[in-house]
Amino acid sequence: AQTVTQSQPEMSVQEAETVTLSCTYDTSESDYYLFWYKQPPSRQMILVIRQEAYKQQNATENRFSVNFQKAAKSFSLKISDSQLGDAAMYFCAYRNFYSGAGSYQLTFGKGTKLSVIP
Amino acid sequence: DSGVTQTPKHLITATGQRVTLRCSPRSGDLSVYWYQQSLDQGLQFLIQYYNGEERAKGNILERFSAQQFPDLHSELNLSSLELGDSALYFCASSPGGGQADTQYFGPGTRLTVL
Repeated sequence: AQTVTQSQPEMSVQEAETVTLSCTYDTSESDYYLFWYKQPPSRQMILVIRQEAYKQQNATENRFSVNFQKAAKSFSLKISDSQLGDAAMYFCAYRNFYSGAGSYQLTFGKGTKLSVIP
Repeated sequence: DSGVTQTPKHLITATGQRVTLRCSPRSGDLSVYWYQQSLDQGLQFLIQYYNGEERAKGNILERFSAQQFPDLHSELNLSSLELGDSALYFCASSPGGGQADTQYFGPGTRLTVL
């Protein structure tokens, strides 16, 4: 079974600075998807970024980028120019690339609570 | 707004009772996933439906059941409730259950069992 580990329960960053959240995972598959979801105090789960394991290029979405190290099974999220609205829980998630049963459930890490200091 | 709706937003009930949580997927989405978020267990997959049929089961208790109706909305039924069932229950939907799909989450239903 796949597992996802987020070793930093809490982190903080100064507004306008850069912060990196860590995630490692364990899988025997060669192809898969990785995601970062943001959960603000409203509790809504919001997709931040998605990475396909077969792509060597790291995904980016505006101020959010990832550092995907497939051999190390590492998938970190970098937030540049941090804003107050970035304060939230961040969850790393894994999903199989292919399922014969057509099931693509997400396996989540425990999350990292990010605080942004004005 | 993800386009996924869940009702009710909050639910308070007593131990031993039964509740039903409802989810309407995004327009056109055929797959519905249910997840439970609790303080001690984190976010866990419960069950998935695709176009009315059950596709996969995760850590879902026997006291819990779900179904997806012809109009594609889904309901999660929780019975013989225990204090430990208090959690945030999310529904997520995706277009077709295909490998390239991304899941979009609803706002969740917060269940409190007293």
